[in-house]
Amino acid sequence: AQKVTQAQTEISVVEKEDVTLDCVYETRDTTYYLFWYKQPPSGELVFLIRRNSFDEQNEISGRYSWNFQKSTSSFNFTITASQVVDSAVYFCALRFGGFQKLVFGTGTRLLVSP
Amino acid sequence: NAGVTQTPKFQVLKTGQSMTLQCAQDMNHEYMSWYRQDPGMGLRLIHYSVGAGITDQGEVPNGYNVSRSTTEDFPLRLLSAAPSQTSVYFCATGMGASNEKLFFGSGTQLSVL
Repeated sequence: AQKVTQAQTEISVVEKEDVTLDCVYETRDTTYYLFWYKQPPSGELVFLIRRNSFDEQNEISGRYSWNFQKSTSSFNFTITASQVVDSAVYFCALRFGGFQKLVFGTGTRLLVSP
Repeated sequence: NAGVTQTPKFQVLKTGQSMTLQCAQDMNHEYMSWYRQDPGMGLRLIHYSVGAGITDQGEVPNGYNVSRSTTEDFPLRLLSAAPSQTSVYFCATGMGASNEKLFFGSGTQLSVL
């Protein structure tokens, strides 16, 4: 079965701390795509990054970095020097097969305190 | 460019009432879909459409109806609202390629009493 597990329900950190959000996925497909979306308090989901199953290269974008490891079926997301504006719910998602076959994790709520 | 527009933002219904959630997009996307978001459940796909005149069921279609008469609009109908349909509903659109992201509307918070 295709599945995404975000075991961390809620994480609280103090501003400037680094924080890693975990995402573990299950799929039998050899071709698949992984995504991270951010849902700030305003409610709208915002796309952060995508990665395909053939590209295990890790990525850094400003304070954000992503670690994709097929060996452990994980696609973790790290925020360096967190800020209050990073407070949001973060969703990891897996797409397999057709465009509509997109499975979301249950989300991790990140609270960054000043 | 408005992107994906959902109306209304909030709605309260009584059990048994019907209503339509509206979704409109101006990006000429072929793919449109409806998700519901419930605490501890993530987002689950209700219905989707790959083009005008074509719709299909997602993971949780029961109690909902859709149609797609134009590329721009994809309304979601609740035929007889039930308390179990209390949720936040998101419309999402995309180009349709597997590596493409989804574009989300701002959501509709629905409460069924």
